[in-house]
Amino acid sequence: EVQLLESGGGLVQPGGSLTLSCGASGFNFDNYVMTWVRQAAGKGLEWVSSISRSGSSTYYADSMKGRFNISRDNSKNTLFLQMNSLRAEDTALYYCAREDILTGSSRGFDLWGLGTLVTVSS
Amino acid sequence: SYEVTQPPSVSVSPGQTARITCSGDAFPWQNAYWYQQRPGQAPILLIFKDTERPSGIPERFSGSSSGTTATLTISRVQAEDEADYYCQSADRGGGYPHWVFGGGTKLTVL
Repeated sequence: EVQLLESGGGLVQPGGSLTLSCGASGFNFDNYVMTWVRQAAGKGLEWVSSISRSGSSTYYADSMKGRFNISRDNSKNTLFLQMNSLRAEDTALYYCAREDILTGSSRGFDLWGLGTLVTVSS
Repeated sequence: SYEVTQPPSVSVSPGQTARITCSGDAFPWQNAYWYQQRPGQAPILLIFKDTERPSGIPERFSGSSSGTTATLTISRVQAEDEADYYCQSADRGGGYPHWVFGGGTKLTVL
């Protein structure tokens, strides 16, 4: 079955760190750009970060740059998001998503996981 | 920072046509993408590159773009279409996009 499954969420104190994982199955993981998108409770979607197929290029939303680090292990079909210096406003459901890019043009985020909840609170 | 703007809510009766707009200064040269999110579920891609539909998405869902406005049109609306709808675009050209999402539009089927 083609799917993404996030894990690693939980309760963390402000200023703390957390690493999220996203396991992929049912498709050729290294053929796709991978992305993290988050959603605070009752709020909209917010792009967090993306990583190229090889992992050599990474991209971040301005508010996450310098605090978050995206990486991937293509041998294990797994995407990661290391989050440091966490703030209350980072509290959200974090989704991983697959992006299909054909001839340099994005075909959108066509596969999403169910998300993992991160709560930043003392 | 760049923003794309959607109406907070749209209401429509079953069988009618719903149109959800998304406004952004970059739309003349950036594509629009649309997602449906039902309560408690992950988003689903409905439209990519302004007008294209992924396999498995009903033809009732269509997209268009003109000037600084992209539009998602849902024809023959059904009760199951009640959901939040998000547009997505990018704020810069060249290299990998920095993606932005609209605030979402709640579609209510009366």
